[in-house]
Amino acid sequence: QLQLQESGPGLVKPSETLSLTCTVSGGSISSSSYYWGWIRQPPGKGLEWIGSIYYSGSTYYNPSLKSRVTISVDTSKNQFSLKLSSVTAADTAVYYCARLPMTTVPGDDYWGQGTLVTVSS
Amino acid sequence: AIQMTQSPSSLSASVGDRVTITCRASQGIRNDLGWYQQKPGKAPKLLIYAASSLQSGVPSRFSGSGSGTDFTLTISSLQPEDFATYYCLQDYNYPPTFGPGTKVDIK
Repeated sequence: QLQLQESGPGLVKPSETLSLTCTVSGGSISSSSYYWGWIRQPPGKGLEWIGSIYYSGSTYYNPSLKSRVTISVDTSKNQFSLKLSSVTAADTAVYYCARLPMTTVPGDDYWGQGTLVTVSS
Repeated sequence: AIQMTQSPSSLSASVGDRVTITCRASQGIRNDLGWYQQKPGKAPKLLIYAASSLQSGVPSRFSGSGSGTDFTLTISSLQPEDFATYYCLQDYNYPPTFGPGTKVDIK
């Protein structure tokens, strides 16, 4: 059973960089037809796709955040990470890491439990 | 980016009701659409993929239909555990985009 777990600071100051890590257990970050990605949800609001990394190592970012986002993978630790720079209060959200199947492909979705990151001084 | 809209944004229904949620894409997306259910404080869960295929383990009262720009999620007989928020997701074009969600609560 695949499990994903987010870790990182719950409080980040404005203008600083938010850093989160997703640790994957029960499987490896190496399957095609899946997104290994970060998705966020501001309190009381909807879901926003931040970006994803494929098994090949290619990364894809939401253009609305692209200038501030970096997603990387450490296959030796079975982890992938998110960095979001120059944060503001608008970046306050629950951040999920997830392995999601592409919408036309059968497969199980796996999510971390989510971690609330608050941007405040 | 492809914009997704959903209607209604919220609805109140009773156990046993038939519920239909609509999702519309700003351009054609073939059947590159999934439906997710999210309960308060929990991560979303995949219900439907490829617009109309039922995810393994999901009750058969859930169904999806549509292609191109217009899609629907139907719950044939609402159960107490179905009160949640439902999101559509397209990945025809990058970035994948979610609809704004439809909250289903108890009447």
